[in-house]
Amino acid sequence: DIQMTQSPSTLSASVGDRVSITCRASQSISSWLAWYQQKPGKAPKLMIYKASTLQSGVPSRFSGSGSGTEFTLTISSLQPDDFATYYCQQYQSYSTFGQGTKVEFK
Amino acid sequence: EVQLVESGGGLVQPGRSLRLSCTGSGFTFGDSGMSWVRQAPGKGLECVALITSIGSGGTIQYAASVRGRFSISRDDSGTIAYLQMNSLKTEDTAVYFCLKWTDGQSFGDHWGQGTLVTVSP
Repeated sequence: DIQMTQSPSTLSASVGDRVSITCRASQSISSWLAWYQQKPGKAPKLMIYKASTLQSGVPSRFSGSGSGTEFTLTISSLQPDDFATYYCQQYQSYSTFGQGTKVEFK
Repeated sequence: EVQLVESGGGLVQPGRSLRLSCTGSGFTFGDSGMSWVRQAPGKGLECVALITSIGSGGTIQYAASVRGRFSISRDDSGTIAYLQMNSLKTEDTAVYFCLKWTDGQSFGDHWGQGTLVTVSP
C-alpha cells in the first residue's frame, strides 16, 4: 500500500498568514493527489484534485503543487473560515489518506 | 443536486454484524465508483472499501484492516451502495462516510453526512 505522510501535524497561524502543508507519498503517484478540508462533525470537503486543480467554488487563495512523491497545499492569506483540519489523499493505487494537519489559531 | 445518505449505523457488540447503506440521488449512480471511508473518534480518514462502476468492471478493493470481514456491493437499480460488516471489533468504531467518485477516479467531490458505528460489549 502507498503510505502518505503529512507535515506538520499541527500548524499555529494567524489571519493573513501564508501557510503551507506538505504531503509525501511512499512511492510515486504522479499527480493523483487530492486535498480536503474538514471541520468538526462534518464530512470532508474537496479543495484540490490532480495535485493542483482547484475544485469549483474553492477560493483562489488555496493552491496545490507537486508531483511524484512530494506535494504542497498553500493558503496564501489565511482567513477565519480556513481554520480546520486538512488531509491529502492519493488515488493512484487504491486510496490512502495522510494523517491530517490541524490549522489552529496562534 | 447530488445527495448521498448513509444509514444503518448503531451500537453493536463485538463479533456481530451490521450492514450500512448509502443511497445516492442527483447523479447517474451506475456510472460512478463508490467508496466507504471511516473516521475513528478523534482520528484521521481511512478508506475501507471501494467499488468501481459495473461498466468499469465492478472491481472491488479493501483495506487490509477489514479484508475478509467487510464486503462492499452495489445495487444500481436502487442507487444504493452497501457495506456489510461482519466479525466487528471495537477498533471498527467510527463514523462511516460514503463518497461518489469524480471523473472516474476515487476522490470525492460529494460525500454523505456519515453514520456512526459503535462496537462495544
